[in-house]
Amino acid sequence: DAKTTQPPSMDCAEGRAANLPCNHSTISGNEYVYWYRQIHSQGPQYIIHGLKNNETNEMASLIITEDRKSSTLILPHATLRDTAVYYCIVKVGGGGNKLTFGTGTQLKVEL
Amino acid sequence: SQTIHQWPATLVQPVGSPLSLECTVEGTSNPNLYWYRQAAGRGLQLLFYSIGIGQISSEVPQNLSASRPQDRQFILSSKKLLLSDSGFYLCAWSVGRNEKLFFGSGTQLSVL
Repeated sequence: DAKTTQPPSMDCAEGRAANLPCNHSTISGNEYVYWYRQIHSQGPQYIIHGLKNNETNEMASLIITEDRKSSTLILPHATLRDTAVYYCIVKVGGGGNKLTFGTGTQLKVEL
Repeated sequence: SQTIHQWPATLVQPVGSPLSLECTVEGTSNPNLYWYRQAAGRGLQLLFYSIGIGQISSEVPQNLSASRPQDRQFILSSKKLLLSDSGFYLCAWSVGRNEKLFFGSGTQLSVL
């Protein structure tokens, strides 16, 4: 599975959009991009995933560049409850679910 | 709806003592089950993975073992705990080829 690079930390004002980048320059054609988040002292929570096209759900939007070498998770209106560590994971779809979590990005949403 | 139960929430054990952490899933059949560990300030490390009763894959060599005596029960064990076994242990499940993992609330283990 391809490796990912994320900034260790980011800050965001409450009510503003939080844009979390992820670099996955060695991604292969059959690898998906997954995003999870982990609020302090809890288990990670699935947010969204995608292959080529941009995706949106009730939690967030995922923007994948045309060359697929990077992506951005967008929380459109960040709240204090969105403060968490956000993990970007790249993995081949199907065939087992052994996701490898890195150290992610610590997002701090402030008033 | 599906739920996952993991207990205890916190545990303090002396070095050399045994360990047994249990995880059960409700509301689904034949789930894939996982044990992850998170050391302080670190990412999650996959320890064990199971696709069915009695089928366990170990991802890293370590002082721990896992068992799956029933379809929806996953147990993490150790005969003798080490200081390095301290960490936040998380159980998770998924179904089929779906990459959505659902995690339990975790057990904070301190080995002293």
